[in-house]
Amino acid sequence: QKEVEQDPGPLSVPEGAIVSLNCTYSNSAFQYFMWYRQYSRKGPELLMYTYSSGNKEDGRFTAQVDKSSKYISLFIRDSQPSDSATYLCAMSTTQGGSEKLVFGKGTKLTVNP
Amino acid sequence: NAGVTQTPKFQVLKTGQSMTLQCAQDMNHNSMYWYRQDPGMGLRLIYYSASEGTTDKGEVPNGYNVSRLNKREFSLRLESAAPSQTSVYFCASKKGTGGNQPQHFGDGTRLSIL
Repeated sequence: QKEVEQDPGPLSVPEGAIVSLNCTYSNSAFQYFMWYRQYSRKGPELLMYTYSSGNKEDGRFTAQVDKSSKYISLFIRDSQPSDSATYLCAMSTTQGGSEKLVFGKGTKLTVNP
Repeated sequence: NAGVTQTPKFQVLKTGQSMTLQCAQDMNHNSMYWYRQDPGMGLRLIYYSASEGTTDKGEVPNGYNVSRLNKREFSLRLESAAPSQTSVYFCASKKGTGGNQPQHFGDGTRLSIL
């Protein structure tokens, strides 16, 4: 079983739709959870960062973490064409003073006008 | 607001040629990282540097060397390029070493090896 699983999509939605992106993980030691957005030919850009179970909201984006189920989600409300990108989940823990960071393989999202 | 700057943005090499990819950050971060990103493989860590003067291997270090030149700069060298090293290379940095801070990425170097 891979440490982090992410559905690669692709996912295509109409403008204004609610988008749900998800990752599951197997390592219960993960403490910190991130979502990155990556536009074509650009580097990953940090979108959301959280370290506790529950929801964190930032504008149209909500990150949800369920540690008991080892499941994280990113919700995008009122999706816009500018949200079209690949979304990477990432999770990390500290082991012996250094970081173990694992990325999902990314979900490609297209929002159609 | 430069953040993490990578040079060059694109490069084409012939098999066996050598090349150094440059990375510089202006955020006063201690830790720096090199990743490669391949279709279907996601981001894979090549090498990292937890602080100036230290470097450590990541998941896929074979065929690469790194130098942490100073706190700002971290370079990746391919001594004898192979077609399997065709990829997009990303440099990242963060303030500390533990998992409690996110990494920040540059925009990548697209490297093709013929």
